[in-house]
Amino acid sequence: GNSVTQMEGPVTLSEEAFLTINCTYTATGYPSLFWYVQYPGEGLQLLLKATKADDKGSNKGFEATYRKETTSFHLEKGSVQVSDSAVYFCALSEGAAGNKLTFGGGTRVLVKP
Amino acid sequence: EAGVVQSPRYKIIEKKQPVAFWCNPISGHNTLYWYRQNLGQGPELLIRYENEEAVDDSQLPKDRFSAERLKGVDSTLKIQPAELGDSAVYLCASSLVASGRAREQFFGPGTRLTVL
Repeated sequence: GNSVTQMEGPVTLSEEAFLTINCTYTATGYPSLFWYVQYPGEGLQLLLKATKADDKGSNKGFEATYRKETTSFHLEKGSVQVSDSAVYFCALSEGAAGNKLTFGGGTRVLVKP
Repeated sequence: EAGVVQSPRYKIIEKKQPVAFWCNPISGHNTLYWYRQNLGQGPELLIRYENEEAVDDSQLPKDRFSAERLKGVDSTLKIQPAELGDSAVYLCASSLVASGRAREQFFGPGTRLTVL
């Protein structure tokens, strides 16, 4: 079956530091890949997505590239802010009709001023 | 545009009691999902509806969980009786699926259930 593995947190950074959250996946076909973010007290929000190999998703300074050869979709941001403190979830979706999302376990990021 | 609405936001019950969660999806979204998120983990799909039809309920524990989506809009998820292990956040999401392709899933804030 499908699965997503992402690095465990918490990840604690200083403001303006570089952030990387590793994500690898296992899927039987060619999934779409997503990063969702959950800010404190709020619901999950889509951060970025990529639907095919070598696609790069980007939003709010975050980027992730769909690497089929390494089955990875690592999230990066060059200079984090305190407001980036949240839990980040990597996920995949497979199937013609956009079936269920399979999530990783989440990575908590804490950015200190 | 209003987002996905869920109620209640928090619920505390004793084990063996029944509980129900309500979800109102984004207007026009034909597909509705219920996920369960255990503490420190990612959400896991319980059931997916396309309009009124439950098209994927393989992960729904059918001995105690039930769900319905009357008229293809609002949905209710019920647990009866609740067990200690049901403590989790229950998330509702919706999306528009057209021509076999799905757009983004939008999530509600969730209902945090605590079973004592």
